[in-house]
Amino acid sequence: QKEVEQDPGPLSVPEGAIVSLNCTYSNSAFQYFMWYRQYSRKGPELLMYTYSSGNKEDGRFTAQVDKSSKYISLFIRDSQPSDSATYLCATQAGTALIFGKGTTLSVSS
Amino acid sequence: DTGVSQDPRHKITKRGQNVTFRCDPISEHNRLYWYRQTLGQGPEFLTYFQNEAQLEKSRLLSDRFSAERPKGSFSTLEIQRTEQGDSAMYLCASSSLPTEYTFGSGTRLTVV
Repeated sequence: QKEVEQDPGPLSVPEGAIVSLNCTYSNSAFQYFMWYRQYSRKGPELLMYTYSSGNKEDGRFTAQVDKSSKYISLFIRDSQPSDSATYLCATQAGTALIFGKGTTLSVSS
Repeated sequence: DTGVSQDPRHKITKRGQNVTFRCDPISEHNRLYWYRQTLGQGPEFLTYFQNEAQLEKSRLLSDRFSAERPKGSFSTLEIQRTEQGDSAMYLCASSSLPTEYTFGSGTRLTVV
């Protein structure tokens, strides 16, 4: 079992939809969780990070961690075509980040 | 400061050749990381520097790979005797805090 599992999609939604992206992780010792966005031919860009359980909101983006089920989520409200990218969840193990495979999102206008 | 800069953006090399990539981190960041990303996968950790000291290396970093960060500024990643399996995007990141990385745009290596 991989330490971080993420459904690669692809996921296609119309503009304005609410998008839910999800990951599961295996090690209950993980405390920090991140979401990165990666556009084609670019490096990942940090969107949000959360510590332990709970929600964190930033504009149209909400990150959620449920440590009891080892489940992390990213919600995007009012999705825009510019949100079309690959979204990577990650957690921190020591100094290294462990990433999921990424979910490719396409938002059509 | 315009972020993390990587050079070259794309490198095509023949199997068996040596290649070297350069990373210029954000100037005030003392932490520097190298990751490798293959198609359809998330980035995988290769190595970590704090200032000029290489403090951690992944088992993915075989003896054909070497990384340096002289004087705690820019870093280089060298791959000797390249193999087709080395084809990937090599990403550099820097940070001042362990949880907030800034990644560069990467160097895409193609070994033919």
